[in-house]
Amino acid sequence: DAKTTQPPSMDCAEGRAANLPCNHSTISGNEYVYWYRQIHSQGPQYIIHGLKNNETNEMASLIITEDRKSSTLILPHATLRDTAVYYCIVTGGGSQGNLIFGKGTKLSVKP
Amino acid sequence: DVKVTQSSRYLVKRTGEKVFLECVQDMDHENMFWYRQDPGLGLRLIYFSYDVKMKEKGDIPEGYSVSREKKERFSLILESASTNQTSMYLCAGEGNYGYTFGSGTRLTVV
Repeated sequence: DAKTTQPPSMDCAEGRAANLPCNHSTISGNEYVYWYRQIHSQGPQYIIHGLKNNETNEMASLIITEDRKSSTLILPHATLRDTAVYYCIVTGGGSQGNLIFGKGTKLSVKP
Repeated sequence: DVKVTQSSRYLVKRTGEKVFLECVQDMDHENMFWYRQDPGLGLRLIYFSYDVKMKEKGDIPEGYSVSREKKERFSLILESASTNQTSMYLCAGEGNYGYTFGSGTRLTVV
């Protein structure tokens, strides 16, 4: 089972910031938080990941609470092309196929 | 940009056929994965490989096998296709910043 909880759906107005929450209350000390998104009929796309500190890249920002039990993915200026399912995943950072995808959040960006 | 390429976007096969799904990555990474994605069930791991000629079962390996003869190529094999294997199949390679997925192969078994 996925170790994360996300709202099933969210709406956002085009040009506004989209803030996608994720709860991961059972995260352990060496586990990372990863975010992926999947646009309809495509493979999932890596967005960002973090351990403890907030992270930012050209796609998004990741805010992790101090106790690490929750995080928020921020798309600063959402566009229609950001409409997708967003997955928050907690993983030990190693491989061995331990990316477990839950149901994610369906973000709909509206004009 | 790193790339993971799946040979077919859409495939229709008959029940009982042997089916090969091919995946090639140019990242020079060891770890590769095969998932299937079905409505309401999300992505489920079928097999993965962390080196040439190495393979490990994922959560749902029944009815599938894999081949990793070269580092860049990871093949998923349906020994005798069945209608319940109709699905979207996704290959991934593990890079320094998470997994890179291919575009997927939508397989229909009739």
